[in-house]
Amino acid sequence: GNSVTQMEGPVTLSEEAFLTINCTYTATGYPSLFWYVQYPGEGLQLLLKATKADDKGSNKGFEATYRKETTSFHLEKGSVQVSDSAVYFCALSYTGANSKLTFGKGITLSVRP
Amino acid sequence: DAGVIQSPRHEVTEMGQEVTLRCKPISGHNSLFWYRQTMMRGLELLIYFNNNVPIDDSGMPEDRFSAKMPNASFSTLKIQPSEPRDSAVYFCASCLDRPNTEAFFGQGTRLTVV
Repeated sequence: GNSVTQMEGPVTLSEEAFLTINCTYTATGYPSLFWYVQYPGEGLQLLLKATKADDKGSNKGFEATYRKETTSFHLEKGSVQVSDSAVYFCALSYTGANSKLTFGKGITLSVRP
Repeated sequence: DAGVIQSPRHEVTEMGQEVTLRCKPISGHNSLFWYRQTMMRGLELLIYFNNNVPIDDSGMPEDRFSAKMPNASFSTLKIQPSEPRDSAVYFCASCLDRPNTEAFFGQGTRLTVV
């Protein structure tokens, strides 16, 4: 079946540090890939997405590139801020009818001033 | 649009009581999902509907859980009887059933069963 594997957390960084959160997936065919973010006390919201191989999704300084050869979709940001402290989820879904999101376990990021 | 609306935001109930969680998806969305989030298990898909029809309920933990979607603008998740291990945050999400679309989440219902 389909699955998403994220690196173990939590992750604690100092402000302005470089961030990488690893995500790999197992799926047949060509899923769409997503990063969702959950701020404290809130629901998940889409951060960025990529729908085909070599696509790069970007938003709020975050980037992730769809790498089919390594089945990965790692999230990066060059300089994190305290306001980036949240839980980050990698997810995949398929195009077409009755698609559903499959999520990784999520990773908590804490950014210190 | 107001987004996905869930109610109540918080629910505290005694073990054995019936609990009903409610969700109003974004207007026009035809897929709806119920998730449960706990520290131990992370985010789990319980059930999802497409055009008001349950498509996959394999994530529903046991018969105490049931979900309905009587129309395109309303869904319920019911737990009867509730148990302390059901304590979690329950999220509803909706999306358009078409390629490359993302799901939109409600703010969740925090359920505490004592």
